Amino acid sequence: AQSVAQPEDQVNVAEGNPLTVKCTYSVSGNPYLFWYVQYPNRGLQFLLKYITGDNLVKGSYGFEAEFNKSQTSFHLKKPSALVSDSALYFCAVYEGPARQLTFGSGTQLTVLP
Amino acid sequence: DTAVSQTPKYLVTQMGNDKSIKCEQNLGHDTMYWYKQDSKKFLKIMFSYNNKELIINETVPNRFSPKSPDKAHLNLHINSLELGDSAVYFCASSQGNSPAYNEQFFGPGTRLTVL
Repeated sequence: AQSVAQPEDQVNVAEGNPLTVKCTYSVSGNPYLFWYVQYPNRGLQFLLKYITGDNLVKGSYGFEAEFNKSQTSFHLKKPSALVSDSALYFCAVYEGPARQLTFGSGTQLTVLP
Repeated sequence: DTAVSQTPKYLVTQMGNDKSIKCEQNLGHDTMYWYKQDSKKFLKIMFSYNNKELIINETVPNRFSPKSPDKAHLNLHINSLELGDSAVYFCASSQGNSPAYNEQFFGPGTRLTVL
């Protein structure tokens, strides 16, 4: 089975500093990887995805993610964090045969003013 | 102009009761999903419907029964509620049933509390 792991439950960063939210994956074939964000009391929102092509994927709200095949990672990044970026971030992998997304455990990002 | 809506937003009920959660999407999508998010924020798919037909049915108790009267609606009925059913339930939709290519749009969630 395919899976993703988010090693950090919580990430704190100061406003204006760069942020990184980590994700590693385990798949048997080519990975299809996603990042979603969940703001308090809201549903998940799609940020970006990697299917093929350029290893640096750009998404919504200034976020980007870097696909690294050798390290089996797909870390989410932003050059300059905003307080409004504070939310719960989920990495996900697509499982082909099951046709479903499998989500990581989530990372709570807090941007401090 | 809400894209994916769920009712109710909060649901508090006693063990043993039967309850339903409704979901509607106005995006014209043909695939809808139910997810369960537990108290640790772990999110897991329960069901998926494409054009009113069940295509994913994860290992959930048969007390949970999804019903899709049309492409725009996917309701979740739960019989004989148990304490462990307490969670936030999210509905989602997409155009096409391949999550690899079709972005999923999530509703705001229904917080179910079983006492």
